[in-house]
Amino acid sequence: DAGVTQSPTHLIKTRGQHVTLRCSPISGHKSVSWYQQVLGQGPQFIFQYYEKEERGRGNFPDRFSARQFPNYSSELNVNALLLGDSALYLCASSLVVWAIRGGQETQYFGPGTRLLVL
Amino acid sequence: ILNVEQSPQSLHVQEGDSTNFTCSFPSSNFYALHWYRWETAKSPEALFVMTLNGDEKKKGRISATLNTKEGYSYLYIKGSQPEDSATYLCAFNGANNLFFGTGTRLTVIP
Repeated sequence: DAGVTQSPTHLIKTRGQHVTLRCSPISGHKSVSWYQQVLGQGPQFIFQYYEKEERGRGNFPDRFSARQFPNYSSELNVNALLLGDSALYLCASSLVVWAIRGGQETQYFGPGTRLLVL
Repeated sequence: ILNVEQSPQSLHVQEGDSTNFTCSFPSSNFYALHWYRWETAKSPEALFVMTLNGDEKKKGRISATLNTKEGYSYLYIKGSQPEDSATYLCAFNGANNLFFGTGTRLTVIP
């Protein structure tokens, strides 16, 4: 079975532009989460979606938005890009959302999209 | 934002040595503690999910323990091999969020 896939792998944008990142979960997984990893830090939680609904949100500005489609794939959108948005964006999928299994649900990560904002 | 700390930040060991590192997390509102291994240019790989105080998990030469009352988890690698070289991340699962530490970068020298 294919793992979590993300596209594109790399992306260069300029300040003020917007970007859309895509994620396809493992077949059968209904939950998708997004993380931002800035160099030297651990991944930071941005969003979690389950059954097309937002089920969790991290401490990120409204410039960040996401959605999940009927086939459970997901998009992360970032508007008005800032230099500080340069990071590796990771997507992870799981069978169900954390709250259903008390946080025990294992997440499977994709390889990430590396975004550079100039 | 919760504080999840990992130590040491980096570690170099000789092949065959055993090693361990620490993850510290808040002891309140605990749901689960996750360990991941992240090799360069690959996706983070789940190692363990730990939920109960006193939990011990093992996968081959890697094992982990959990103390939720004092808020720490140890990861042990017995007889380190070069293929164990990676960044090891822990993540604290609160109610609807997952907080990662900055990781311990392990290099095993042949």
